[in-house]
Amino acid sequence: EVQLVESGGGLVQPGGSLRLSCAASGFTFSNFWMTWVRLLPGKGLEWVVNINPDESQKYSVDSGRFTVSRDNAQNLLYLQMHSLRAEDTAVYFCAKHGPESFDNWGQGTLVTVSP
Amino acid sequence: DIVMTQSPFFLPVTLGEPASISCRSSQSLLHSIGSHFLSWYLQRPGQSPQLLIYRGSNRASGVPDRFSGSGAGTDFTLKISKLEAEDVGVYYCMQGLQYPWTFGQGTKVEIK
Repeated sequence: EVQLVESGGGLVQPGGSLRLSCAASGFTFSNFWMTWVRLLPGKGLEWVVNINPDESQKYSVDSGRFTVSRDNAQNLLYLQMHSLRAEDTAVYFCAKHGPESFDNWGQGTLVTVSP
Repeated sequence: DIVMTQSPFFLPVTLGEPASISCRSSQSLLHSIGSHFLSWYLQRPGQSPQLLIYRGSNRASGVPDRFSGSGAGTDFTLKISKLEAEDVGVYYCMQGLQYPWTFGQGTKVEIK
């Protein structure tokens, strides 16, 4: 069974940084693209970043602030966020890729950006 | 960016009755391989999103056959043949053709 467990969320001040982690199990992590998607309060889902299996391809909605990485040996996915703003407040989900889609999701971790 | 527009925003449906959600993209989602890179998701209350349909019309593993996806070009539809109580939640379409991948704003389905 595919399991994705996010961690690292919490309260951070505007302008601060945060690193989220996602622990994957139940599938061959190193074979799959992975992604981070966030649920913005009152606004819906927003794709954040994608990363391919060998980290040679990375895409981001805001490459200056959000960077993705992975550790295939440890089955871990990371999201590094900088210069956080109030509008980045959201539940952040990691997800495994299907064909141009996300076929398994974690339970999410809440990030709150507030003074 | 490709803009995804769903309608309606809110959809009350009687149990056992059909439901239909529209999703329009600001440009064609047809890829050169011949598939449309459009997927549908359901987020039930208090749960993570779940993949329902990928590449426009392919049901994801374990998704009941009362869910179906159709459409081409810029116009897509998700249909539920007979609404069940567990189908309540917010439905999203998403394009995976061009970065940034973008979602529709969501359609909230509830029991009438």
